[in-house]
Amino acid sequence: GAGVSQSPSNKVTEKGKDVELRCDPISGHTALYWYRQSLGQGLEFLIYFQGNSAPDKSGLPSDRFSAERTGGSVSTLTIQRTQQEDSAVYLCASSFPRGAGGPNSEQFFGPGTRLTVL
Amino acid sequence: GDSVTQMEGPVTLSEEACLTINCTYTATGYPSLFWYVQYPGEGLQLLLKATKADDKGSNKGFEATYRKETTSFHLEKGSVQVSDSAVYFCALSSYGGATNKLIFGTGTLLAVQP
Repeated sequence: GAGVSQSPSNKVTEKGKDVELRCDPISGHTALYWYRQSLGQGLEFLIYFQGNSAPDKSGLPSDRFSAERTGGSVSTLTIQRTQQEDSAVYLCASSFPRGAGGPNSEQFFGPGTRLTVL
Repeated sequence: GDSVTQMEGPVTLSEEACLTINCTYTATGYPSLFWYVQYPGEGLQLLLKATKADDKGSNKGFEATYRKETTSFHLEKGSVQVSDSAVYFCALSSYGGATNKLIFGTGTLLAVQP
């Protein structure tokens, strides 16, 4: 009965380094989302995966950000050459496929990864 | 584009006081509307939702009614408790698009004092 898990819970890195953030969705959830929560921007959508479809990357703020989802389960968000403005809490959410739980299936959120770029 | 506007906090209330947190939205089509809550040190949790006009979502004594005519989804509770202290986020999800992404308001911090 595990929920969405994310690792690490906290990450401190130096400007210019690359970081990888991991998300384990709820078993059976084929939809996976990444969001970012920052003081200046609030909660923002980053990227969406649904099954084997091409991901919706429309929320990624720059080409330094990328994400993949292997085997339709675990997802990794990678930020290259981190900048101080990347400091935020990165949230992952998962849900059943669109339509399976109604027009908008409930998204379940993980506890987040707090990223601090020095 | 679609957006959500909610009242800024913090909102400070005494226990058993009435709560209203205003939320209005701008959207094309017919969005679903949500209130999420983030308790201290915890992740976001869905509090309630409404998927069509005039629907009322309710949970844990909280209510919100989807008002299409005023494009609003205000959160209300008749008697708050200290345990309700949290950040509350209003959000929408547009139906008809390919992505079920949520668009959030800025969040309202509620502090309930004993």
